[in-house]
Formats: sequence, C-alpha cells, structure tokens
Amino acid sequence: EAAVTQSPRSKVAVTGGKVTLSCHQTNNHDYMYWYRQDTGHGLRLIHYSYVADSTEKGDIPDGYKASRPSQENFSLILELASLSQTAVYFCASSDISGNTLYFGEGSRLIVV
Amino acid sequence: AQSVDQPDAHVTLSEGASLELRCSYSYSAAPYLFWYVQYPGQSLQFLLKYITGDTVVKGTKGFEAEFRKSNSSFNLKKSPAHWSDSAKYFCALSTGFASALTFGSGTKVIPCLP
Repeated sequence: EAAVTQSPRSKVAVTGGKVTLSCHQTNNHDYMYWYRQDTGHGLRLIHYSYVADSTEKGDIPDGYKASRPSQENFSLILELASLSQTAVYFCASSDISGNTLYFGEGSRLIVV
Repeated sequence: AQSVDQPDAHVTLSEGASLELRCSYSYSAAPYLFWYVQYPGQSLQFLLKYITGDTVVKGTKGFEAEFRKSNSSFNLKKSPAHWSDSAKYFCALSTGFASALTFGSGTKVIPCLP
C-alpha cells in the first residue's frame, strides 16, 4: 500500500479561490516536501519541513503556504489561486538523511 | 546556487539497444546525485544515488550511473534496454546531508518501434 498519499488527486479551482492540498505519509519520516511539476519541465521545490509545526521556504514559495501539524501530515495552501498555479503537485517524504525521496501519486490542479 | 542540466528533452529507444541519458550539474562542492524515473501517469520512483566512494553506482531495474567529477556529469546507462523502459527520467542534486533536491527538467525516453 502507498506510503505517501495525496488528496485530492485532481481538482479544478476558480481564480481567487482557496485550495488546500493534503499529504499523509506512513513512512515515519521526519522530512516532507512539496514540489510542483509543470508540463514538460522538472520538479521545483515549493516548501519543505524537517519537523512538525515548522516549515521552510523552497525555491518558489510565493503564493503558497505550508502547514505541518504532525509528523504524518503536510498541507500546501493556495490562499488566492491563480492561473499560473495550474500544475501537478507532488508531496514526498524522506528520512533525516534527505537522500532518498518517496513520492506521492501527485495532485493535478487546474485553475480556471 | 546549484543547478542540474539534462540537455536532451527526448531520446528514442530501440528494443535491445543501449540507453544513455546525460546529466550535468553545477555545484562548487561535492554533490549528492540521484536519478528518478516517472512512468506515464505515475509518480517518481528512486533509481540510484551517488554519495561518495565508487564512481559507478548500480540501482534498480538494471540501471547504473557514473559520476565524473572532471566534467561534472552523472550519466545514466542501461544495456540492453527495453521498450518497458520508456518513461521520463530525472537527474537530481543535493548539496549534502538533509538538503532538499534540485531536479533537472527530465529526459523522456520514447520507444522506436520497428
């Protein structure tokens, strides 16, 4: 069974609306990450977290917030969704070495 | 800042042929290097990593990669490769222990059907 699960798997949101993407991991990992993948491109790091109740900004944090209420859960929040945030979002977890990431199945977000 | 370059957006694959995917990086210190694979409609899966030691590392699914400090490369290889290896492959770099990964843009391997 999948150790990193994301919800929703797919969502259509309206411009200016609020979107919350959730991630749950059962790997007992301390580190969790949110990446976005745009068509034809690689993954870019949005936010990450080393421990519950603490988050860090990645390479492209503007327009996104993150929340890590527990070791198992990590959410990505778009307070005011914009067209440019249409993408596939991947959550991942890793142990404290950060060397090997375990990815969720991805959440496809379309902002209209 | 570090970066990863995968110069080939697409590579065609003939059944039974050798496959080599190029990856170069820019980082002033010793990098940690990774390869991940993404099959159509699926998430990313870990293939292999280089941290230190032997410059040729073997991973899952019959893949291996060679770290070459002289030209800052970490190319992925498989021989023979199969049509089932058709996927998108991502090279990634970490600046060290507990550092987040920086990904390249990926190389899509497309089957070349006879």
